[in-house]
Amino acid sequence: QSVLTQPPSVSAAPGQKVTISCSGSSSNIGNNYVSWYQQLPGTAPKLLIYDNNKRPSGIPDRFSGSKSGTSATLGITGLQTGDEADYYCGTWDSSLSVYVFGTGTKVTVL
Amino acid sequence: EVQLVESGGGLVKPGGSLRLSCAASGFTFSSYSMNWVRQAPGKGLEWVSSISSSSSYIYYADSVKGRFTISRDNAKNSLYLQMNSLRAEDTAVYYCARDHGGSSSDWGQGTLVTVSS
Repeated sequence: QSVLTQPPSVSAAPGQKVTISCSGSSSNIGNNYVSWYQQLPGTAPKLLIYDNNKRPSGIPDRFSGSKSGTSATLGITGLQTGDEADYYCGTWDSSLSVYVFGTGTKVTVL
Repeated sequence: EVQLVESGGGLVKPGGSLRLSCAASGFTFSSYSMNWVRQAPGKGLEWVSSISSSSSYIYYADSVKGRFTISRDNAKNSLYLQMNSLRAEDTAVYYCARDHGGSSSDWGQGTLVTVSS
């Protein structure tokens, strides 16, 4: 059972914006950096956002991350069909000394 | 270019053992912590274990503690996961990933482990 909660699914039309929330606690999100991963169907996950809001090279600025208190948010603007994927948040849990992933959110482009 | 190639997966009976390997290239392997992450069929990501660059720090998920052992050989640019006392619930695709500041920045293609009689 994951300690980070995400909505099971979000959807929007092409060109629109979606946001994905990730809710945790003071022992994980509240005191550690959050990362976001994209997993396209049938492929390995890929790092989208690290240190709450930084993008690795090659990740378009349509993807953004933010954190406030014990929650984090991933935003995707200018939604494209190629963005249909599962998205996971992740962070270290200082109390449990484990890395935790969110429950995952499926993004559907209508 | 960073490359991570897992191997060693397969079909094993409950209670059996398996050793996964991850061959790394394209970066200075000895400078990075490494992670194992798994994904059961149709399920989400589950972190399994992490090892620091010099093997000084090792962490495990509760679900595998006492059964799995992570190790590395920096001279061979390789990461390992020894899995003992395997259970049906260990069935998953196992990914190795390079750790960069607490994030898994690069991932292998994964290797499938199936535990079934």
